[in-house]
This record gives sequence, C-alpha cells and structure tokens, in this order.
Amino acid sequence: DGGITQSPKYLFRKEGQNVTLSCEQNLNHDAMYWYRQDPGQGLRLIYYSQIVNDFQKGDIAEGYSVSREKKESFPLTVTSAQKNPTAFYLCASSTRQGEGFGYTFGSGTRLTVV
Amino acid sequence: SQKIEQNSEALNIQEGKTATLTCNYTNYSPAYLQWYRQDPGRGPVFLLLIRENEKEKRKERLKVTFDTTLKQSLFHITASQPADSATYLCALVSGYSTLTFGKGTMLLVSP
Repeated sequence: DGGITQSPKYLFRKEGQNVTLSCEQNLNHDAMYWYRQDPGQGLRLIYYSQIVNDFQKGDIAEGYSVSREKKESFPLTVTSAQKNPTAFYLCASSTRQGEGFGYTFGSGTRLTVV
Repeated sequence: SQKIEQNSEALNIQEGKTATLTCNYTNYSPAYLQWYRQDPGRGPVFLLLIRENEKEKRKERLKVTFDTTLKQSLFHITASQPADSATYLCALVSGYSTLTFGKGTMLLVSP
C-alpha cells in the first residue's frame, strides 16, 4: 500500500542534542512538507520541497534543517538551536505543489525534550 | 494579516443529527479550500476539496459549501455517527503555494 512513513513514533532528546526525524513516501509525489503541531495551535509549516535537491523555508524554519536527496525521502533535523522543540511533527506529501491536490500525511513523530 | 478561523469550542451533537462546522477566512483569495479529519495522535486525513467556482461539493455523508463573498466554508456531516468524532481542519493555500491550516474544531457525536 502506498503511503508516508514517519519514524520514530516517539523520540526523546536531551538538551543540546540534534535529532533527525525520518519521512519516507512511496506515492511518487513530487512535493513534501514538514509541519509542527502544538496543543491548541494549528499546523505550522517548517520546510517544504517541490523537487529533489530543492527546498524552501516555511514560517518557522529557525532551528531546523532538511535535505531532499531522493524523491522518496525528506528528513528533518531538529538542531540544538531550536529553543522549544517539544511538539508533534507531521510530514506530508502531494502530487505537486499549489495545484489543489490534497496532502497525504504520515502518522507523526512526537518529540520530547528531557 | 491572513487568518483562518474555526470555532475553538467543541461541537457536541447526538447521533443521527447533522453536524455543521464553520471555516472563516480573511485576507485570502483562495482558488480552493480543503477539509481534513484528524484523530488524536494521528496525522490529518484529506476529505474534500472545493474550488472557488464551485458552490457545493458532496461525498457520501459529507457536504462542503464555499462562499467567496462571505469568505466562509461550511462543512456538514449528515446522519452523524460516534465514529465521526474527531477534529476537523480547514486549509487554504498560502503565499508559498502551500497549505495553511486552521486550528480545527472538535466534533463529539454521542450515541
């Protein structure tokens, strides 16, 4: 079955550590996205990518980095520069960007700083 | 600034009734609007897309309307069931040509 796989489901990070969240899709989608969700808040866009080897900052990119070396993969690194990283992170993909296609989301990674 | 507003209070209804959720927006001129369902601890699931030239869209028990004059979309679930209990998000395309989501409205359907 086609879909998006995020791993791990739960992640604990110590202060000052970088961690990488995995996102893999087998839908042959061109566009991929990372959102962050906090309680009582909407989804906020961190980074997005329309094609391989290209990505753009979203509204809250500070303290995060991404790569898009393969069409199927869009990993997100939460760096130590991110002051408040505890949140629910969602990866999504769509056929193409900006043409009205619905997004397919992964099941999310819950990151907690300990 | 651009805003998407959904009722932050949960909507409680009885099984079998029609649930109506509202999405209002300001400072957008969206070509389309989307609705998603999100269950606790899960990613959102795409339900429906309605374009600016469509007044209404239906899918099984779901109906969406889109009024670009009022800057409002209504999302209806007819013959609601307890399994419809979830948070429903509306989304509009932003300046990045990516989706911006509302905070969502929780729907609780009691037996």
